[in-house]
Amino acid sequence: DAGITQSPRHKVTETGTPVTLRCHQTENHRYMYWYRQDPGHGLRLIHYSYGVKDTDKGEVSDGYSVSRSKTEDFLLTLESATSSQTSVYFCAISVQAGGGNEQFFGPGTRLTVL
Amino acid sequence: AQSVAQPEDQVNVAEGNPLTVKCTYSVSGNPYLFWYVQYPNRGLQFLLKYITGDNLVKGSYGFEAEFNKSQTSFHLKKPSALVSDSALYFCAVRGLGGYQKVTFGTGTKLQVIP
Repeated sequence: DAGITQSPRHKVTETGTPVTLRCHQTENHRYMYWYRQDPGHGLRLIHYSYGVKDTDKGEVSDGYSVSRSKTEDFLLTLESATSSQTSVYFCAISVQAGGGNEQFFGPGTRLTVL
Repeated sequence: AQSVAQPEDQVNVAEGNPLTVKCTYSVSGNPYLFWYVQYPNRGLQFLLKYITGDNLVKGSYGFEAEFNKSQTSFHLKKPSALVSDSALYFCAVRGLGGYQKVTFGTGTKLQVIP
């Protein structure tokens, strides 16, 4: 998984509870991404980062925030979890943001919001 | 807006037979195209990409893909399917110019029957 770890790997929480997911990489890549995977939707970009403290929104960012205080860590926070945020969350990295640069994915976090 | 279509939710093929997983795309200008594979409970793994040049691209595990600009297609192929190829396959597209997000298809489940 290209030196990418995600924690926790599984989490069950209740509606209204804050949740933070962590992505850690060991290769000092500049670009990091958070996606969610849902049946019938493929992968959808939540937020991405192009450097320490540099982040921007993706296509489904409502209800999510991110932080990147160190190159190696990219945190995704659900301020107040809702059942619609039940999903599998994937972190990814790439060497560069654009062009023909493929992405490398972490193992995923399965989040269930009751 | 860019988009990717994978018209088949599932493809079944007998072991040893050739396989094709279809993908069509829509994007402004010339595209960067990718195929990823996902095994159960794993993140996506990069298989191959088209940037420019030869329309037939070879990738990992004996897979190849053919870029067809006139048909806006990028079908994934393999001459002889293995049971171990059974997985979920995603096509993805990125447009040119600056940071362009990657758009993923909804995925095709490939089932190789022994």
